[in-house]
Amino acid sequence: AQSVSQHNHHVILSEAASLELGCNYSYGGTVNLFWYVQYPGQHLQLLLKYFSGDPLVKGIKGFEAEFIKSKFSFNLRKPSVQWSDTAEYFCAVNAGNNRKLIWGLGTSLAVNP
Amino acid sequence: NAGVTQTPKFQVLKTGQSMTLQCAQDMNHNSMYWYRQDPGMGLRLIYYSASEGTTDKGEVPNGYNVSRLNKREFSLRLESAAPSQTSVYFCASRGVGQGRTEAFFGQGTRLTVV
Repeated sequence: AQSVSQHNHHVILSEAASLELGCNYSYGGTVNLFWYVQYPGQHLQLLLKYFSGDPLVKGIKGFEAEFIKSKFSFNLRKPSVQWSDTAEYFCAVNAGNNRKLIWGLGTSLAVNP
Repeated sequence: NAGVTQTPKFQVLKTGQSMTLQCAQDMNHNSMYWYRQDPGMGLRLIYYSASEGTTDKGEVPNGYNVSRLNKREFSLRLESAAPSQTSVYFCASRGVGQGRTEAFFGQGTRLTVV
C-alpha cells in the first residue's frame, strides 16, 4: 500500500537555526508532492508543491523542498527559522491520477525565540 | 472568495445524539473530502466524493455517512455520536488536474462527544 513517512515527529529549534524535515513515500510511479503547514488552531495551508521539472521547488515564507526520485524523498528546508514558523507540517503525496492524497503523520515544529 | 466553508466551528454532543457537519466550496471543484484529525494520528480520510453524485469510503468510515448534495456541498452525518468521534473535522476540496491540484481546507469543526 502507498504510504508517506515523516521521520521527525517533534522538532525544537531556536530562532535562526536551519530546518530540514524529512518525507519519504512508497510508490514507484509518477507522484505529485505537497507540503502543508497548520498553524496553531488553524486549518492546513499549502506551503509548496512539486509536479515536474526542477526538483528544487520554492514555496511561501522562505521554504523550499527537494525531490530526490532515487530516494523517494521530498524533504522540506528553511535556512533560518522564525518563531512564527511554529506549526505542524504535513507531507502529502498524490500517486498517479488517484483522487486521494496520502498524508504523513505530521511533524510538530516549535521555534524558541 | 470564501473558499471552503464549514459549519459549525464548535459542537458538543451527548453520546447517542446525531448531527450533520456542513461543508460548501465556491471554487467549482469536483472532488471533496472529509478528514478527522487526532493528536499523533495525522489526517485520516473518512469519506470522499470524486465528483457530484459519487461518494466513497476512506480509511475510517464507520459511524459516519455523507451526502454530496450538489457540486458545492458535501455534508458529514454522525447518526449516533460516540466519545471515540471526539476530534477535529476538516472538509477539503480539489479541482481536476491528474493529481496535480492542491487541496483547499475549511477552518475545521471541533467536536466533543461526552
